[in-house]
This record gives sequence, structure tokens and C-alpha cells, in this order.
Amino acid sequence: GQQVMQIPQYQHVQEGEDFTTYCNSSTTLSNIQWYKQRPGGHPVFLIQLVKSGEVKKQKRLTFQFGEAKKNSSLHITATQTTDVGTYFCAGQSYNTDKLIFGTGTRLQVFP
Amino acid sequence: NAGVTQTPKFQVLKTGQSMTLQCAQDMNHEYMSWYRQDPGMGLRLIHYSVGAGITDQGEVPNGYNVSRSTTEDFPLRLLSAAPSQTSVYFCASSYWGGSLDTQYFGPGTRLTVL
Repeated sequence: GQQVMQIPQYQHVQEGEDFTTYCNSSTTLSNIQWYKQRPGGHPVFLIQLVKSGEVKKQKRLTFQFGEAKKNSSLHITATQTTDVGTYFCAGQSYNTDKLIFGTGTRLQVFP
Repeated sequence: NAGVTQTPKFQVLKTGQSMTLQCAQDMNHEYMSWYRQDPGMGLRLIHYSVGAGITDQGEVPNGYNVSRSTTEDFPLRLLSAAPSQTSVYFCASSYWGGSLDTQYFGPGTRLTVL
């Protein structure tokens, strides 16, 4: 079945440093979504990517969808303490109606 | 709009007991799903539904039943609770047009099975 892996599992950074998490799917995706979950909270939608090679930006966050539509990345520039949380990618394969989540990357930012 | 609501927020069960986790949404979303979250394993899909009267299995369906009699409600039933079902359970809903859209998550139910 479809599998979605994320690396790294954990990342600790000093405030102001950059952060990147990578997402890899075992199958080609029709679209990929990214979510953020604060400690003790529920996942909150950040963005959706649909096109091969697509790049989208939200302030300090940059999202990329790979050319083969099997991988994606989230890059945060100059992290802040408010960026703390777990970041998940979630992908839908072609011809399925399931959204499979990645294993997540937990980000800790030290002031 | 209340969005996606889940009850209860916390529950402790003994092994072998059964219970139903409730999920409701008021956004008229066709698509609803249940995930469980365990440390280091992300969110795993249990069951999902693309509309009233239609349900299907996700990645980890064993030990759980669902039904979708209305658009608004999507309860998850644990038939005979086991310690391995100790987890945080999230319900989510979204618009469904053949391609999945933004998932709106409920606040979660923390379940402990002793």
C-alpha cells in the first residue's frame, strides 16, 4: 500500500536558523498537503500543492512539490519560537480516495 | 459554525469494553475520516467516508467499525477495546469533489485502554 515517509523525525534549531523537512511517497501523488500540529493540539492545514515542480510561499515558509510528484519539502527561513510543532505532509495517490499522512517532523526552536 | 466536534475529549476503558467515539461537522462536507495518532507513527487512517451511506477501510481498520447514516455524523465504534488501541483519535472532514481538499480536524479524543 501507499506509504509516506518524512525526515528527519526530530529537529532542534536555534531561533533564527533555517529548517527543512522532506517528504517521500512510495507512489505518485495527485496532490500533497502540509499540516502543522502544535503540542497538545490538532493538525491545521497549511497548504496544498498539485502541479509537478510547484513552489509556493507563505511568508517564511516555502513548499515544493517534486517533478516526479513523489516527494515534497517544507523549508522555514529564520525560525521563530512560534514555529514549534510537528509538521506533517499528506498525500493522495491517483485513483484513490485516501489521504495518507507522513510520519511527521517535530520541530523544537530554542530562543 | 462549530466546525468539527468530537466527544468525549478523554476516555478510560478496560480491556474488552466497547464504546463509540462521536464526530460531527456542520460544514456540509461529504468526506469524513478517522485517524489515530501514536508517538513516532504520525497519523494513520482508520476508516473514511465519501458520503452518507458509504464507508471504506483505511490503513488500520481492524477492531473498529464505522457507519455514515447522515452527512453530519461519523461515529467510530470500538468493538472490544484492547491496550493497543490506546491512542489519540482525530476525526476530520473536507469537501469532496474527487480530489481531496483541506482537511478540518476535530480537537481529538484521548483514549486509554487498561
